[in-house]
Amino acid sequence: AQSVAQPEDQVNVAEGNPLTVKCTYSVSGNPYLFWYVQYPNRGLQFLLKYITGDNLVKGSYGFEAEFNKSQTSFHLKKPSALVSDSALYFCAVIFSNSGYALNFGKGTSLLVTP
Amino acid sequence: GAVVSQHPSRVICKSGTSVKIECRSLDFQATTMFWYRQFPKQSLMLMATSNEGSKATYEQGVEKDKFLINHASLTLSTLTVTSAHPEDSSFYICSARDRTGLTYGYTFGSGTRLTVV
Repeated sequence: AQSVAQPEDQVNVAEGNPLTVKCTYSVSGNPYLFWYVQYPNRGLQFLLKYITGDNLVKGSYGFEAEFNKSQTSFHLKKPSALVSDSALYFCAVIFSNSGYALNFGKGTSLLVTP
Repeated sequence: GAVVSQHPSRVICKSGTSVKIECRSLDFQATTMFWYRQFPKQSLMLMATSNEGSKATYEQGVEKDKFLINHASLTLSTLTVTSAHPEDSSFYICSARDRTGLTYGYTFGSGTRLTVV
């Protein structure tokens, strides 16, 4: 079965430290992977996506993600966290035969403390 | 960049009434519009997919007679919650996929907080 998982409900990190938000997936065919961020009572803001090409994808606001085919993972990373990065992060995948809809993981709440 | 305008941002309605939510793509043509529902501190659940000029495709468990979706033009899609009840209270978000398709560009509206009293 096709799926997308974010194993952590919450990630806590101190400002200035590197952060990682994890995502794993299972799809039929080629994986199309996305990361979005959501601030309270707001829509989603696009961070980055992997369609094809380099495994290391650089996105908005200093975020990057590494596509790892063997581990079926697409973890979101940032070298130095900011307090303003505190938000809800969603990994999303396009499943085959899904009409190109994005299917979201459950979300990971990131808290960056000063 | 691409913008999807979603209105209203908040709405409170009485039980039994209907509410219409609009999503407009402002500077691109939205071939496909997706409607999601989000409960507090939970993920986005896909409700339906609509292609311009076609009937919407609803996900399993979503009542198509309760959640009416119209995508009459390439820039406008609407979701009408009919005979709303308190359990329909939620955050509804639309997402538009642009006509280019292959770029997999998705733009999200800012969401609508529906409260049914």
